[in-house]
Amino acid sequence: AQTVTQSQPEMSVQEAETVTLSCTYDTSESNYYLFWYKQPPSRQMILVIRQEAYKQQNATENRFSVNFQKAAKSFSLKISDSQLGDTAMYFCASYGGSQGNLIFGKGTKLSVKP
Amino acid sequence: KAGVTQTPRYLIKTRGQQVTLSCSPISGHRSVSWYQQTPGQGLQFLFEYFSETQRNKGNFPGRFSGRQFSNSRSEMNVSTLELGDSALYLCASSFGRMNEQYFGPGTRLTVT
Repeated sequence: AQTVTQSQPEMSVQEAETVTLSCTYDTSESNYYLFWYKQPPSRQMILVIRQEAYKQQNATENRFSVNFQKAAKSFSLKISDSQLGDTAMYFCASYGGSQGNLIFGKGTKLSVKP
Repeated sequence: KAGVTQTPRYLIKTRGQQVTLSCSPISGHRSVSWYQQTPGQGLQFLFEYFSETQRNKGNFPGRFSGRQFSNSRSEMNVSTLELGDSALYLCASSFGRMNEQYFGPGTRLTVT
């Protein structure tokens, strides 16, 4: 069975600073993907970044980047130059081809303070 | 391209009633998945449909069912509602398996 663990229920960061959200996962799949989703107070779940497990290069999307450590089954999200609009719940999720659905962590509530 | 839409956005029902939620995927997407989100259990997978066939099902009782139409629109139905069914129900669509899922705004169901 796949599991995703986010050990930081809440975090806060000052505007313009950098913050890293942690995620560990466990999977028996050989072909899988990892995602970070953002859910602001409006409740719309938004895809932030995606990482294919077979790729060694860490994914980057503008201010968002990941540190993917496959052997350690770790997948952290780094947000640079934090903005007030980054305030949201952040969910780490895994997806295995044979299972066909996302497995989510419990989420990390991030607050960006002015 | 229009995003995933869900109707209704908010719903209040009484215990014992049944409810139907609707989801229209992004144009061209053939896979639709449903998730239940509650403060206690977090995000849990309900089921996945692809080309009108249920491909995968989560660990929910038979009161939860769904279907997909030929235009890829999907509905989920919950019969004999219980208080514990109060949740945000999220629909997500993707082009196919191993493609990223895009979520709709959700339907907030309250059972009283």
